[in-house]
Amino acid sequence: AQTVTQSQPEMSVQEAETVTLSCTYDTSESNYYLFWYKQPPSRQMILVIRQEAYKQQNATENRFSVNFQKAAKSFSLKISDSQLGDTAMYFCAFQNTGNQFYFGTGTSLTVIP
Amino acid sequence: GAVVSQHPSWVICKSGTSVKIECRSLDFQATTMFWYRQFPKQSLMLMATSNEGSKATYEQGVEKDKFLINHASLTLSTLTVTSAHPEDSSFYICSPGQGLNTEAFFGQGTRLTVV
Repeated sequence: AQTVTQSQPEMSVQEAETVTLSCTYDTSESNYYLFWYKQPPSRQMILVIRQEAYKQQNATENRFSVNFQKAAKSFSLKISDSQLGDTAMYFCAFQNTGNQFYFGTGTSLTVIP
Repeated sequence: GAVVSQHPSWVICKSGTSVKIECRSLDFQATTMFWYRQFPKQSLMLMATSNEGSKATYEQGVEKDKFLINHASLTLSTLTVTSAHPEDSSFYICSPGQGLNTEAFFGQGTRLTVV
């Protein structure tokens, strides 16, 4: 079974600063996919960034980037130039080859003006 | 991206009654639908996986007779909470199965409150 762990229940960051959210996972599979999702107060899940496990290059999407360490089974999210709209719950997710998603417990991020 | 419509967005019901939640994929055919439950300030927990034309697969600890899932067509899956109790109050989210390395799309969610 796959497990996804987010060890930071809550975090805060000053507007325009950089913050890193941690995620580790456990799996015996060699091929899988990793995602970060954002859930604002509206509760709608929004994709932030994705990473294929077979790719060594870290994914980047504008102000969002990941640090993927496959051997350590670590997948952290870095948010640069934090904006007030980044305030939300962030979930790390693992997708197995059976197309099932497993979500971490979430990190509540607050951007302070 | 895929458009997923979930209805109702919120519902209040009395204990002992049943509530049906609908999830429609508006612009694609979903052979698989994942149903999640999310308690306040907690993660999404997979409840069951429905497959069009066949029985749903339930995760361990989820009562299949209480959470009835129907996936009769490629564009509609329903979750019925039968004989609801206050502990069933939660946020329910559907997500149609996509291909590997394809982002998951989610319905808007249904906030169920049982009084």
